[in-house]
Amino acid sequence: GQSLEQPSEVTAVEGAIVQINCTYQTSGFYGLSWYQQHDGGAPTFLSYNALDGLEETGRFSSFLSRSDSYGYLLLQELQMKDSASYFCAAPNTPLVFGKGTRLSVIA
Amino acid sequence: DGGITQSPKYLFRKEGQNVTLSCEQNLNHDAMYWYRQDPGQGLRLIYYSQIVNDFQKGDIAEGYSVSREKKESFPLTVTSAQKNPTAFYLCASSIGQGVTEAFFGQGTRLTVV
Repeated sequence: GQSLEQPSEVTAVEGAIVQINCTYQTSGFYGLSWYQQHDGGAPTFLSYNALDGLEETGRFSSFLSRSDSYGYLLLQELQMKDSASYFCAAPNTPLVFGKGTRLSVIA
Repeated sequence: DGGITQSPKYLFRKEGQNVTLSCEQNLNHDAMYWYRQDPGQGLRLIYYSQIVNDFQKGDIAEGYSVSREKKESFPLTVTSAQKNPTAFYLCASSIGQGVTEAFFGQGTRLTVV
């Protein structure tokens, strides 16, 4: 079986940095992916980590530690438009998601 | 442009009726998925298919049925056996097993009236 745990809500100030954690238990580990979903919209892919370490894509970075079964998404220079839900996912078969973290960016 | 299309965007159903949600992709992806999302909740897997003419139940398959007669199409039928069908339904596709990136349709919001 597979399970991914992440905090349900996070609030951060515009311009700040926020970290969204994800711990997982999966069989046949293929890495960790992250998705963003705005209210009423479709999830969109943000990043993927196959190996340990930090992957950077603009303001967003994602980290993975396979030995700790842990990863996180780091958002820098927060903007109001970053207010959304963020999901970690185990790209196994089938594709399974965590319950999501709702990020609220406040002024 | 390649993509994945769900229709309709909004759907209303009377209690006791079956309804079919459409999902079409032209990305040449082998794997397709259906998820259900309730307000403030995550994505729960209903069914998935890795290849034409084959599909597997997800965590909440009861009251739903699917078919995969063509690679590009994966329709979901919400049957009258589904006791609480009002939700946001998302279809996704990916290249295949061990997928690193899935592509989602824009979703169908189903309301039972």
